[in-house]
Amino acid sequence: ETGVTQTPRHLVMGMTNKKSLKCEQHLGHNAMYWYKQSAKKPLELMFVYSLEERVENNSVPSRFSPECPNSSHLFLHLHTLQPEDSALYLCASSQSPAGAGDEQYFGPGTRLTVT
Amino acid sequence: TQLLEQSPQFLSIQEGENLTVYCNSSSVFSSLQWYRQEPGEGPVLLVTVVTGGEVKKLKRLTFQFGDARKDSSLHITAAQPGDTGLYLCAGVWGGSQGNLIFGKGTKLSVKP
Repeated sequence: ETGVTQTPRHLVMGMTNKKSLKCEQHLGHNAMYWYKQSAKKPLELMFVYSLEERVENNSVPSRFSPECPNSSHLFLHLHTLQPEDSALYLCASSQSPAGAGDEQYFGPGTRLTVT
Repeated sequence: TQLLEQSPQFLSIQEGENLTVYCNSSSVFSSLQWYRQEPGEGPVLLVTVVTGGEVKKLKRLTFQFGDARKDSSLHITAAQPGDTGLYLCAGVWGGSQGNLIFGKGTKLSVKP
């Protein structure tokens, strides 16, 4: 247990569906992250929230929409996804505000399949 | 072009063997981290190295940061099946705005 939980663990959705991924950290950390992990590619940073404000969006398509209602919770809203969006989506948190290069604590991920 | 190159990509060995995996870059990193990821789980931090030439040991795992802070290695002595997993290196460099840049990882399989 890393102190970061993600739900659901597995998700299958059609291209016209709307779904949300949830992440919760129980560590009192100040920064939260969404990563995408695909086969044969490095982890790709998608979004960074520091002290509940979005500080980075790495040119992610608008069909992915993050939300950070408070320092412990992070959501990733999904709509009209493409099959190539199928991947493991990982949430992470770090103690220091983003940009400090701090150690990150990862959740177990959501395995997303888009049909 | 990847900022962090990890090698080998795959490694399958017998229990008791030694191994080394590498993480290389042409950029200088202010710090570098090693993570291990098991199937169905997220990465878990093993160690952070900060100083050029630094060596850190974690039981049978030895981590080294290159003198120029451009490369790192992970050596495992007498590997065990429990060492099986994906080993990821991740670094912070001047152009990453403090964010971690990950390598693709080395997938290690240790057979009994």
